[in-house]
Amino acid sequence: SQTIHQWPATLVQPVGSPLSLECTVEGTSNPNLYWYRQAAGRGLQLLFYSVGIGQISSEVPQNLSASRPQDRQFILSSKKLLLSDSGFYLCAWSSMAEAFFGQGTRLTVV
Amino acid sequence: QKEVEQDPGPLSVPEGAIVSLNCTYSNSAFQYFMWYRQYSRKGPELLMYTYSSGNKEDGRFTAQVDKSSKYISLFIRVSQPSDSATYLCAMSATGVGNEKLTFGTGTRLTIIP
Repeated sequence: SQTIHQWPATLVQPVGSPLSLECTVEGTSNPNLYWYRQAAGRGLQLLFYSVGIGQISSEVPQNLSASRPQDRQFILSSKKLLLSDSGFYLCAWSSMAEAFFGQGTRLTVV
Repeated sequence: QKEVEQDPGPLSVPEGAIVSLNCTYSNSAFQYFMWYRQYSRKGPELLMYTYSSGNKEDGRFTAQVDKSSKYISLFIRVSQPSDSATYLCAMSATGVGNEKLTFGTGTRLTIIP
């Protein structure tokens, strides 16, 4: 069966520091991969999605970037975090219509 | 107008009651409909998945789609405190994996023992 791993679960980072969140999927090949941010009362905001290695589409201009160095690995990065980058970040994968989510990373920028 | 509208709640009901959660949408191309359950500080988990109009039942949960009205519902029977969570609806047009899902903002549900 397919599983998705996302880490860390919580992270506190100072403003201006770099960020790297990693997500890996097991049990499937060539998945579509997604990074979402969830803010209270605002639902899920799609940040990036990828249909293959090295193929990244950005949905929202921001201080973040994403990379897919391997088929089942998706990384969310920032060179310098802003206070506004705080939030709950979710990685997800799909092969058909439905998406499956990781457990999320709660990022607090201080 | 948002493509998908969902009442954010919060919704509180007594244990054992029937819960009705709803979403409306404006894009008539949507054919695939999903409900996710999200516990606090956790990722959403897929609860129900339906295609086109009609009903689908899974245990205490029933998903209903009315494409003519652009309205979908999730019913929870014999509600339990463990059903307390945020419920998100999601939908897509093609059902192909590289199409991005469109999500509602979620309804926060509390079941009161």
